[in-house]
Amino acid sequence: GDSVTQMEGPVTLSEEAFLTINCTYTATGYPSLFWYVQYPGEGLQLLLKATKADDKGSNKGFEATYRKETTSFHLEKGSVQVSDSAVYFCALRPNKAAGNKLTFGGGTRVLVKP
Amino acid sequence: ETGVTQSPTHLIKTRGQQVTLRCSSQSGHNTVSWYQQALGQGPQFIFQYYREEENGRGNFPPRFSGLQFPNYSSELNVNALELDDSALYLCASSDRVEQYFGPGTRLTVT
Repeated sequence: GDSVTQMEGPVTLSEEAFLTINCTYTATGYPSLFWYVQYPGEGLQLLLKATKADDKGSNKGFEATYRKETTSFHLEKGSVQVSDSAVYFCALRPNKAAGNKLTFGGGTRVLVKP
Repeated sequence: ETGVTQSPTHLIKTRGQQVTLRCSSQSGHNTVSWYQQALGQGPQFIFQYYREEENGRGNFPPRFSGLQFPNYSSELNVNALELDDSALYLCASSDRVEQYFGPGTRLTVT
């Protein structure tokens, strides 16, 4: 079945450091890929998405490129802020016929220190 | 904020009891999905409703059931609660493009 694997945290960084969170997936066909962020005590917020190979999603300084050859969708940010401290989830949606079912990775907690 | 609301915010139940969680979708969204997020894990898909019909289900037993109403609000019902049902329950409403998550209901089963 479909699955998403992301690096375990916590990831602890200093402000203005470079952030990378690795995400790889297993799926048949051509899934859409997402990154969600969850701040303490809150639900999930969509951070960015990519719907086909080689697409780059970007938002709030975060970027991720859909790499079909390596089945990866790594999240990057060049200069993190304390406010980026949160849990980040990589997810896939198999295809439109599968409706809106999302398969999530286990999440990566990021802590940015001033 | 996404416009998706859930109630209650927190809930404590005893093993064997039944619980109903509620979700109000974002205006105009006719599809709602429910997820279970255990502590320290990613959300797991429970089921989805489209125009009041169940339209996809994850690997959850039949004691997890749901309803969607004509105004597209939704309920998640769990019977015969077990300790492992303790989790954050997330509702998401969707248009054709993406899902919008509510803040969740934290259920504790003792």
